[in-house]
Amino acid sequence: AAGVIQSPRHLIKEKRETATLKCYPIPRHDTVYWYQQGPGQDPQFLISFYEKMQSDKGSIPDRFSAQQFSDYHSELNMSSLELGDSALYFCASSPGLARNTGELFFGEGSRLTVL
Amino acid sequence: AQKVTQAQTEISVVEKEDVTLDCVYETRDTTYYLFWYKQPPSGELVFLIRRNSFDEQNEISGRYSWNFQKSTSSFNFTITASQVVDSAVYFCALSEANFGNEKLTFGTGTRLTIIP
Repeated sequence: AAGVIQSPRHLIKEKRETATLKCYPIPRHDTVYWYQQGPGQDPQFLISFYEKMQSDKGSIPDRFSAQQFSDYHSELNMSSLELGDSALYFCASSPGLARNTGELFFGEGSRLTVL
Repeated sequence: AQKVTQAQTEISVVEKEDVTLDCVYETRDTTYYLFWYKQPPSGELVFLIRRNSFDEQNEISGRYSWNFQKSTSSFNFTITASQVVDSAVYFCALSEANFGNEKLTFGTGTRLTIIP
């Protein structure tokens, strides 16, 4: 069965550079969530989208932006990178309103290292 | 506001011992979901179980079992006859049952080490 696809899996950037992470949800899933997990930390909710509209916002820095496209994939853009942005970034998808199961399906994560 | 507390930061047990991971949660919602995820050293989040707040039946899946007690707002996870492959960080999580919004609030995790 198709899972949530995240790319790239690993990314190394310098301070002040920009990074873009991509997420391809499970087919027919219309809701996407982004989480950030710092070293030794629990995943923290950043932002979510339902039907290409932002549905909720968590502790996402102003330097970060995200959107969901017409094909339901999502991109997380991070600018002016700081050392503290080094983390594992998870994307998750769910069927949203179509079927409220309360279950999120997580991708394998994108590991960003800022030097 | 929702909150999940995993008081045990790290646990080490010898292989084949049983181990219980504690999870206590806070929510004002009457309908919610509780989860357990496993995060092995490779980093991915592995879904273990989802429990609806209306279903207080305990569940057993192989060596894993879960004890949901609404009266004490706890959702504990027991591994029976632990194995080295069980070594990982385990997260308990909570979500509201709002349509289209299954945002998860995670606990801080318990690092479980199984000693051969």
